[in-house]
Amino acid sequence: LAKTTQPISMDSYEGQEVNITCSHNNIATNDYITWYQQFPSQGPRFIIQGYKTKVTNEVASLFIPADRKSSTLSLPRVSLSDTAVYYCLVGERTGGFKTIFGAGTRLFVKA
Amino acid sequence: GAVVSQHPSWVICKSGTSVKIECRSLDFQATTMFWYRQFPKQSLMLMATSNEGSKATYEQGVEKDKFLINHASLTLSTLTVTSAHPEDSSFYICSADRGLVNQPQHFGDGTRLSIL
Repeated sequence: LAKTTQPISMDSYEGQEVNITCSHNNIATNDYITWYQQFPSQGPRFIIQGYKTKVTNEVASLFIPADRKSSTLSLPRVSLSDTAVYYCLVGERTGGFKTIFGAGTRLFVKA
Repeated sequence: GAVVSQHPSWVICKSGTSVKIECRSLDFQATTMFWYRQFPKQSLMLMATSNEGSKATYEQGVEKDKFLINHASLTLSTLTVTSAHPEDSSFYICSADRGLVNQPQHFGDGTRLSIL
């Protein structure tokens, strides 16, 4: 399982774009990159997943360079409700694979 | 809507009590479910992998006799904290996998366990 490294915390203001970068230098060929969001006293919620290049959905974009040794989660125009912990996970996307969480990034969005 | 349901959402009990937590996949069958524990201000720590119809696989340092896992059906896994003590107080979270490529894990909303 590839180890991930993220900034411990980040601050932002409402309306700004937030980019959180995750390093995963020993990512394997079959590994996907998945990002989760967690609010206090709740389980993690899926944000986005990708394998290479760029993935976009209704809440975020995920940028993955060609070497796949890092990835960047981009949250457009954050609001106060985006204050949460964001986890980057790397692993095979086959049934039953176990997920090892890193420390995550605590994002604080200020008014 | 939620695809993984966890029950109860919180429980307070006396030291020495055994507590059972249920994790259900609501609209899919999950041959594999996972149990995590999370202490305040910390990340999720994987405790064990629950396999339907077979014994659970525990992570290093997790006592299998302390944390009993049963996965008797494709939609239900249970975690029983036996003879719970205050140090077992934590936030317990389960997740389930549809078993398909490109499908993320789905997490329950967690169970807050407080042992007095």
